[in-house]
Parts: sequence; structure tokens; C-alpha cells
Amino acid sequence: KQEVTQIPAALSVPEGENLVLNCSFTDSAIYNLQWFRQDPGKGLTSLLLIQSSQREQTSGRLNASLDKSSGRSTLYIAASQPGDSATYLCAVALSNDYKLSFGAGTTVTVRA
Amino acid sequence: DGGITQSPKYLFRKEGQNVTLSCEQNLNHDAMYWYRQDPGQGLRLIYYSQIVNDFQKGDIAEGYSVSREKKESFPLTVTSAQKNPTAFYLCASSMTGTVVNEQFFGPGTRLTVL
Repeated sequence: KQEVTQIPAALSVPEGENLVLNCSFTDSAIYNLQWFRQDPGKGLTSLLLIQSSQREQTSGRLNASLDKSSGRSTLYIAASQPGDSATYLCAVALSNDYKLSFGAGTTVTVRA
Repeated sequence: DGGITQSPKYLFRKEGQNVTLSCEQNLNHDAMYWYRQDPGQGLRLIYYSQIVNDFQKGDIAEGYSVSREKKESFPLTVTSAQKNPTAFYLCASSMTGTVVNEQFFGPGTRLTVL
């Protein structure tokens, strides 16, 4: 069974600092990995999807890397802003399964 | 305006009652999913449907039921057999039921047992 872990559970940084969020998974035979943002009491917004054949994916200030062999993905958010405050979740899909396995998320607070 | 809608936003259930959560999408997606989110935990899959008139159990299906009579709609019923139903419920859809496609989520329904 795929286990997905996100450490730390919470993170607080001053505005302007770069954010580094970690996601680790136990089964390296993944099909893709997706990063989501969740605001309090809201649904999930897809940020980036990385296919297993890719090493990274970029969108604006966001960059996500994938290292299948070590079972890790990292989400970088450059020059953080108070509006980046949210919970960030990663989810992994296995090659032989359509289902997503989710981490518990990292809750980020960006202080003005 | 394409997207996924869930209703109601908040729902309260008395002990022994069945309640139904609505999920509608106008993205023309084939696949739809129901997840449950509890504090400090990742999302867990309750049921999924890859095509109309077909659905399969996820990891925590006990105490829940679904139907998929229309492509756009995937309602979830929380039955009295679900012993701990208080949670945040999220509906999602994807273009097909394969992992190639991203999953897109609705705004969620918060269910509280009184």
C-alpha cells in the first residue's frame, strides 16, 4: 500500500522567504504526482501535476520536482506572500491504479 | 462557467438518519469520486465511478452508498450504518477514470452529527 508523508505538518515564514514543502512516498512505481492547495473550509485546487517521466514542473512562482528513485517530491514557492497561506497536499497515483493516495498536508502561514 | 458544485455546504444529521450529499459537474468528465477528509489526515476514497451506471467501492465504503444515473451527477448517501460520519466530504471528477488525468475538486460539504 502506498504511504504518503508530508513533513512538517505546519510551517510559518516571513513574507518574501522561499517555501520548500516536502512529500515522500513509499512505492516508487508511481504514474504521476499532483500538488494541491486547500484554503480553510474549501475544496482542493490543483497546482501542478508531474508525470513519472518528468523531473520537474513549473507554473509561475511554483516549481515541483520529482525523484522517483528516492520517493520524494518537493514543492518550491518563490518569494512567498500572505496570500500563499493555505494547506498544501500532495497525492500520488500508482502505475497500476487510478486511485490517488494523499498526504495529510503541510499548513503554511506567511507572516506579513 | 465550468466546474463542480456540491450542496449543501453544511449539513447536520441526527443519529439514525440517512442524508444525501449532492455533487454535480458540467466539465463533461467521465469519472467522479467521493472523498472524506478528517482533521490531520489525508483524503480517503469512499466511492468512485468511471462511467455512468457503474461505480466501485473505495477504501472506506462501509456505511455509504452512491448512484450514477447521469454523467453529471454522483450523489452520496451517508447511511445510519456509518458510525462516525462527522467529516468534510469532497467530490472530484476527472476526464476519464485513468490516472493520466488530473482530478478536479468541488468546494466540499461539512457534515456534522448532532
